[in-house]
Amino acid sequence: DVKVTQSSRYLVKRTGEKVFLECVQDMDHENMFWYRQDPGLGLRLIYFSYDVKMKEKGDIPEGYSVSREKKERFSLILESASTNQTSMYLCAGGDGRKTYYGYTFGSGTRLTVV
Amino acid sequence: LAKTTQPISMDSYEGQEVNITCSHNNIATNDYITWYQQFPSQGPRFIIQGYKTKVTNEVASLFIPADRKSSTLSLPRVSLSDTAVYYCLVGDHGGDTGRRALTFGSGTRLQVQP
Repeated sequence: DVKVTQSSRYLVKRTGEKVFLECVQDMDHENMFWYRQDPGLGLRLIYFSYDVKMKEKGDIPEGYSVSREKKERFSLILESASTNQTSMYLCAGGDGRKTYYGYTFGSGTRLTVV
Repeated sequence: LAKTTQPISMDSYEGQEVNITCSHNNIATNDYITWYQQFPSQGPRFIIQGYKTKVTNEVASLFIPADRKSSTLSLPRVSLSDTAVYYCLVGDHGGDTGRRALTFGSGTRLQVQP
């Protein structure tokens, strides 16, 4: 069974801290994505990557950066965490070359910035 | 990417058929229509995808009229466990490179009552 694993289920960080959210996929998929989900706002795309060392900004990249050094790992970085970054963060993987291009999501990381 | 519009919420009872309609007036020729299901505290899960006419799998059916400006997700005989948020997405395959990202709206919150 294919999997996307996010390193932490719950995380509490202080304002100003540098935060790393890790995501690993075992599907050999080229595409990986980071979304955040907030009540009433649905899922919003932060960044995505279609290849190692490649990245593209999504709809809300401000305050975030990403790293993709290996195909299976996609990290989301909060350079200086702020309270408005308290949210559920969801990582996904997808194979863009196939007709069926559904994403596989991880279980999410609920981040609280205090 | 084409914008989608779907009802914010729907209520149903166990055993009933539920139809959730999504509008996507500016769908492009290369766009496919995909539906996801999300339970609380979990990432979205792919349900079904289609391009035109009707698609059916073990979970749901997807009806797409000839003009493709809308689509209807049909869930036969729902149970309490179908209570979830359902997202309609429209997007293309990004050409040969497969470089794309899907945009999620706010979804439809389906509540199934006993």
